[in-house]
Amino acid sequence: DTEVTQTPKHLVMGMTNKKSLKCEQHMGHRAMYWYKQKAKKPPELMFVYSYEKLSINESVPSRFSPECPNSSLLNLHLHALQPEDSALYLCASSRETGAVNTEAFFGQGTRLTVV
Amino acid sequence: RKEVEQDPGPFNVPEGATVAFNCTYSNSASQSFFWYRQDCRKEPKLLMSVYSSGNEDGRFTAQLNRASQYISLLIRDSKLSDSATYLCVVNMRARSDSWGKFQFGAGTQVVVTP
Repeated sequence: DTEVTQTPKHLVMGMTNKKSLKCEQHMGHRAMYWYKQKAKKPPELMFVYSYEKLSINESVPSRFSPECPNSSLLNLHLHALQPEDSALYLCASSRETGAVNTEAFFGQGTRLTVV
Repeated sequence: RKEVEQDPGPFNVPEGATVAFNCTYSNSASQSFFWYRQDCRKEPKLLMSVYSSGNEDGRFTAQLNRASQYISLLIRDSKLSDSATYLCVVNMRARSDSWGKFQFGAGTQVVVTP
């Protein structure tokens, strides 16, 4: 089973709303990632969690707040977003970050529209 | 200079033909290399990892050239279902103890025509 599950699949939110994106994997992976993908562009790394600790933050604005409650779950809390934050948000997981040749598996993504 | 570069295409390929394209990377310390395919409005799906000796999976062959810092993907006997964007992904060292930075190229679009 190489499944990463993301909810919701679609989300429309206003600029004053607070919402959360959720990601779950049961592969025993200890590294989890958030990526943002705009149309016709490649995914851009936002955050990396390794063993439930934040290991990489790619200078993401504070209106995006990641959380890793346990080794299977990853959340992305959203607050006061801008219309330009509308994108496909992808969660991924891999066995761990400390080893080479470890593939990343992606969830289906949450398509976010900020109005 | 981008860390991972690809020819965006599109590569228009007749059904049954062979198509090949490359990806170059700038960080010589990169250790892990992958090809993913992404269909329109879908998530990236792992196609294959790329190993130093090169590897083949059915109609797909991947090669790694460390000296010139590029990887390649060759698709033989192209099928209509091979139409997609192919993303080159390099796992880069983020810190001395972490390889967690999967860096994507911009993708190469392949269109297989009947």
